[in-house]
Amino acid sequence: GESVGLHLPTLSVQEGDNSIINCAYSNSASDYFIWYKQESGKGPQFIIDIRSNMDKRQGQRVTVLLNKTVKHLSLQIAATQPGDSAVYFCAESFSGGYNKLIFGAGTRLAVHP
Amino acid sequence: SQTIHQWPATLVQPVGSPLSLECTVEGTSNPNLYWYRQAAGRGLQLLFYSVGIGQISSEVPQNLSASRPQDRQFILSSKKLLLSDSGFYLCACGEVNSPLHFGNGTRLTVT
Repeated sequence: GESVGLHLPTLSVQEGDNSIINCAYSNSASDYFIWYKQESGKGPQFIIDIRSNMDKRQGQRVTVLLNKTVKHLSLQIAATQPGDSAVYFCAESFSGGYNKLIFGAGTRLAVHP
Repeated sequence: SQTIHQWPATLVQPVGSPLSLECTVEGTSNPNLYWYRQAAGRGLQLLFYSVGIGQISSEVPQNLSASRPQDRQFILSSKKLLLSDSGFYLCACGEVNSPLHFGNGTRLTVT
């Protein structure tokens, strides 16, 4: 399959720990943000999204935090599991832009038993 | 829910040969469609998007073209492939302010 994550920064965590993946976005006009998970050889899979009128949103075991002041986005994964090992991408877009998502460089999450 | 089909899954083509990658979508009508390319170990770069039949917008100058002959069909083409066209090509569909859904991609190697 596709070799995702060869040159990406890697976050290594122990199974059961919490993981925090960070992302700096570029466009102050962006008002919609998404986190994706990509496993080797597959397309990105939607995890969670957040709009610019919010600063926090929670899902199942995941939380996204948005700090518009410093243009920073983070993904927190609680009780990280081996199945969470993948490359994680943040993406941004703005309402007037036909949902053209601009992706960050990605972070590889490696979960060790 | 939307399902995106891409084929082939892998493709090896010589330099100078033509290319046609197809993407079809189920479970939605009049979607926005997108072609992204991902180099090994890199993020995704938007190549083309389409908001309707026959409507194509190109994001970056390149050796590729796209067409949308039907509402739920999006095709990526090239007349003559270059080595630099190698990569992982992903089709996506979605609406404004909603997450894009991606297919499982085509791994293209130009030799």
